[in-house]
Amino acid sequence: DGGITQSPKYLFRKEGQNVTLSCEQNLNHDAMYWYRQDPGQGLRLIYYSQIVNDFQKGDIAEGYSVSREKKESFPLTVTSAQKNPTAFYLCASSIAGRLYEQYFGPGTRLTVT
Amino acid sequence: GQQVMQIPQYQHVQEGEDFTTYCNSSTTLSNIQWYKQRPGGHPVFLIQLVKSGEVKKQKRLTFQFGEAKKNSSLHITATQTTDVGTYFCAEPEDGANNLFFGTGTRLTVIP
Repeated sequence: DGGITQSPKYLFRKEGQNVTLSCEQNLNHDAMYWYRQDPGQGLRLIYYSQIVNDFQKGDIAEGYSVSREKKESFPLTVTSAQKNPTAFYLCASSIAGRLYEQYFGPGTRLTVT
Repeated sequence: GQQVMQIPQYQHVQEGEDFTTYCNSSTTLSNIQWYKQRPGGHPVFLIQLVKSGEVKKQKRLTFQFGEAKKNSSLHITATQTTDVGTYFCAEPEDGANNLFFGTGTRLTVIP
């Protein structure tokens, strides 16, 4: 059963703590992406990776970090430096390049208090 | 910077009425994609348009790409409650291998 998995679905953290969101895909896609979505708003790109061991900052990378050690996995760490971390986080993957559709995971809803 | 304007931001329709959302870009596009996100769900790819003036249909959904490849529209005929959700257009980001998403149009269908 191919697809993208994100865990957990809901995550609660105290302010000042780092938290890592998981994203795994078995679609054999080279490219993976992390987006942030705030209520009633669109998708903003945090980081993306076109190939293993390489990644680029998106529009709102400050306060976030990623790694891409395996093709299947692209974890996102929300650090304590992120000023407003409460949001819905979506991971996606695609065939590398800008001409291909993206497949999204179910998302992780992070609440920081 | 790159901008993708999507209008309207919200639309409420009676079931059976038609619905249209528009996407306008500040640049000439190589392609444009459309996604649907159900409430509480994740975006799902609907279609990609590549050619100038292209029109594609999926059942009650009609997608158009402008002649100048700077705008696009999604039209739903005779809406149903299953059409509820937010519709996003997405265009290739300038100088990068990723997509830039529009702000989305949230559709509510009143039974």
